[in-house]
Amino acid sequence: DGGITQSPKYLFRKEGQNVTLSCEQNLNHDAMYWYRQDPGQGLRLIYYSQIVNDFQKGDIAEGYSVSREKKESFPLTVTSAQKNPTAFYLCASSKRSGDGYTFGSGTRLTVV
Amino acid sequence: QKEVEQNSGPLSVPEGAIASLNCTYSDRGSQSFFWYRQYSGKSPELIMSIYSNGDKEDGRFTAQLNKASQYVSLLIRDSQPSDSATYLCAVNTGFQKLVFGTGTRLLVSP
Repeated sequence: DGGITQSPKYLFRKEGQNVTLSCEQNLNHDAMYWYRQDPGQGLRLIYYSQIVNDFQKGDIAEGYSVSREKKESFPLTVTSAQKNPTAFYLCASSKRSGDGYTFGSGTRLTVV
Repeated sequence: QKEVEQNSGPLSVPEGAIASLNCTYSDRGSQSFFWYRQYSGKSPELIMSIYSNGDKEDGRFTAQLNKASQYVSLLIRDSQPSDSATYLCAVNTGFQKLVFGTGTRLLVSP
């Protein structure tokens, strides 16, 4: 079955450490997105990509980086510059930009 | 003004009743509209999409769109306890990405 796979499901980060969240889709979707969800604040867009080797900053890109070397993959790195990274991270994809998204199951990141 | 606004709730309805969830948006150029259901601790799931004025029905769900009033709603008929979740409204404002509301929490009591 087609879908989006996020890994790991839970991730713990030490202070000053970079961590990478994986997102892989086999839906043949062109567009991919990363959102962060905090309690009571809804979904906030971190980065998005419409095509391989191209991506744009979202509303809260500071402290994050991404790459899009393959159509299927859109990993997110949470750098040490992100001072409050504890959150639920959601990867999504859509066939075309602006279509309804399909979400992955999410990664819950906690700073320890 | 937020781009997409929803009442945070909780909206409490008894089992079997109709639940009405509302969403307003600020950009008159918005093209398409979506409703997602999110259970606690889980990721959002797309349940309805609507693109033109009027009603769209899918099973127990009906989405209603009024572009003149910049208003989109979701009706859930014969509400079940399993419908208890947070419902997110999302709008495509034409800038290649969806803008999400903060969600309305629905509680259906047996």
